[in-house]
Amino acid sequence: KNEVEQSPQNLTAQEGEFITINCSYSVGISALHWLQQHPGGGIVSLFMLSSGKKKHGRLIATINIQEKHSSLHITASHPRDSAVYICAVVGSNTGNQFYFGTGTSLTVIP
Amino acid sequence: ETGVTQTPRHLVMGMTNKKSLKCEQHLGHNAMYWYKQSAKKPLELMFVYNFKEQTENNSVPSRFSPECPNSSHLFLHLHTLQPEDSALYLCASSPTFGSLGETQYFGPGTRLLVL
Repeated sequence: KNEVEQSPQNLTAQEGEFITINCSYSVGISALHWLQQHPGGGIVSLFMLSSGKKKHGRLIATINIQEKHSSLHITASHPRDSAVYICAVVGSNTGNQFYFGTGTSLTVIP
Repeated sequence: ETGVTQTPRHLVMGMTNKKSLKCEQHLGHNAMYWYKQSAKKPLELMFVYNFKEQTENNSVPSRFSPECPNSSHLFLHLHTLQPEDSALYLCASSPTFGSLGETQYFGPGTRLLVL
């Protein structure tokens, strides 16, 4: 079983919809990252969280340490948001080991 | 522009070939990473270098050999690979390999196909 689970695996939305991607993890962590991977491979780091909530433009990331859960929200989704979104955590008891989810593939239709 | 570049972007090689992947970062970072991304699987951390010293080696087969001559350059030497090694190989860097999981900056990746 993977230490990081994401849902859904695939998501299709109409342009303008509000989108939520979920991440649950089973290890103690010192930080959680949300990453975006566009077709072609390159990965961009969107957020690094250790508590609370962060907002950047139309993107909002939240984390609940007690529940070991994080969500990534996209407001007013746009076709250029189409990408794979990956949740990654840094284990707090494992020598900075990174654990990755398998990603959520998002397609936003015009 | 991510500041992390990788060459080549695509590579096709036979199982008896020897090739090398190159990663370069111009961000002044001291930690560099090699990841493997296979279809439908999570990213796998292969190697970590912090201040040019290898700090992590996650049970990677010896047919993958990393080299870090300085903080800006990282190589992955490949020899006698198997078809199951076909994947996207991503390089990343961060200021240091620290306890707070600093943000990593990723390169565009090398798409490798082993025939």
